[in-house]
Amino acid sequence: GENVEQHPSTLSVQEGDSAVIKCTYSDSASNYFPWYKQELGKGPQLIIDIRSNVGEKKDQRIAVTLNKTAKHFSLHITETQPEDSAVYFCAASIVGGSQGNLIFGKGTKLSVKP
Amino acid sequence: EAGVTQSPTHLIKTRGQQATLRCSPISGHTSVYWYQQALGLGLQFLLWYDEGEERNRGNFPPRFSGRQFPNYSSELNVNALELEDSALYLCASSWGQGYGEQYFGPGTRLTVT
Repeated sequence: GENVEQHPSTLSVQEGDSAVIKCTYSDSASNYFPWYKQELGKGPQLIIDIRSNVGEKKDQRIAVTLNKTAKHFSLHITETQPEDSAVYFCAASIVGGSQGNLIFGKGTKLSVKP
Repeated sequence: EAGVTQSPTHLIKTRGQQATLRCSPISGHTSVYWYQQALGLGLQFLLWYDEGEERNRGNFPPRFSGRQFPNYSSELNVNALELEDSALYLCASSWGQGYGEQYFGPGTRLTVT
């Protein structure tokens, strides 16, 4: 079955710097790759996603890139702010398949220092 | 638009008891997913319901079960509770099979003593 590896597990940056989180997946049939942000005491919030027919997607300060050949995808946050501090999860799934569920990475705890 | 809601927020049970957790999806969504988030284990898939039917389940014992009602809300039942069932149980909803985006609720914190 699918396996998603996420690195690093913790990341500390200064406010204004960029942050990059990387994930790899094992199942070449996976075609949907979302990223979630989870703040303390809350459920995961979908912040951006990408499908396998797209190489890059941007939304203001966040962007996601996908390399299908290498089976890895990354989250890029520019001009980080203290409110970006949270745990970020990557995930993979096969949309339209019989499974339906997301397979998550273990998460990255991002700390943005003012 | 109201998001996914879950109840109760917290639940404390004794080992061996049963727990029932409830989820209301976003209006218009027909699929409901349940995930367990235990400390140090990340988010693990439990169950997927779509149009009232169980479509898939994760690698959990049969004492984890649930159902989806005609209004698409769902409940998760955990029988014969064990200490290791203590976790945050998250419900997510989506438009249905073929739609990738899943939106999560705030979760139910289950503590088994």
